[in-house]
Amino acid sequence: DAGVTQSPTHLIKTRGQQVTLRCSPISGHKSVSWYQQVLGQGPQFIFQYYEKEERGRGNFPDRFSARQFPNYSSELNVNALLLGDSALYLCASSLVGDRQGSEQFFGPGTRLTVL
Amino acid sequence: AQSVTQLDSQVPVFEEAPVELRCNYSSSVSVYLFWYVQYPNQGLQLLLKYLSGSTLVKGINGFEAEFNKSQTSFHLRKPSVHISDTAEYFCAVITSGGYQKVTFGTGTKLQVIP
Repeated sequence: DAGVTQSPTHLIKTRGQQVTLRCSPISGHKSVSWYQQVLGQGPQFIFQYYEKEERGRGNFPDRFSARQFPNYSSELNVNALLLGDSALYLCASSLVGDRQGSEQFFGPGTRLTVL
Repeated sequence: AQSVTQLDSQVPVFEEAPVELRCNYSSSVSVYLFWYVQYPNQGLQLLLKYLSGSTLVKGINGFEAEFNKSQTSFHLRKPSVHISDTAEYFCAVITSGGYQKVTFGTGTKLQVIP
């Protein structure tokens, strides 16, 4: 069975540009979460979506937005890129989104470099 | 607000020696606790989790962790490490609530020396 997939694997952008990252959850999983992992730090929670609705949001500016599609895949959009947005962006899926302790399965991430 | 502290950024250990990776958390409500492992250029993999019940939790690859509520700790242990255990390890916490906001520690790099 395929795990969580993310595309692209690597991306280089310049300041001010916009970027869209994509995530496909494990088949049957209805919840997708996004995390930002800056080099040398732990992942930081950005969003959780469950059944196409935003269930939670971390402490990120409005430049960050996301959505979940009917097939439960998800996109993360970042506008007006800053140098500080350079990071590994991780997507995680789980069966359900509102039961604490439901295991999250992580994808390999998208490495975003902002020049 | 919840937080997780991993005191050791790097832990070198000889192969077949025991290891303990330390994790302390802070939360005003009950928590669920997790340990994840991240190999180079890969995503995170769940090692083990504590939800309730027995405070000693066994995970994959021979790892175990003990939840200590009075000391707000969740240290990860392995009695004998292998070269393949070289990776970065993250402690994480979820507090009660309606969604899965996971708060991660800053990570501990375990380097197993042959």
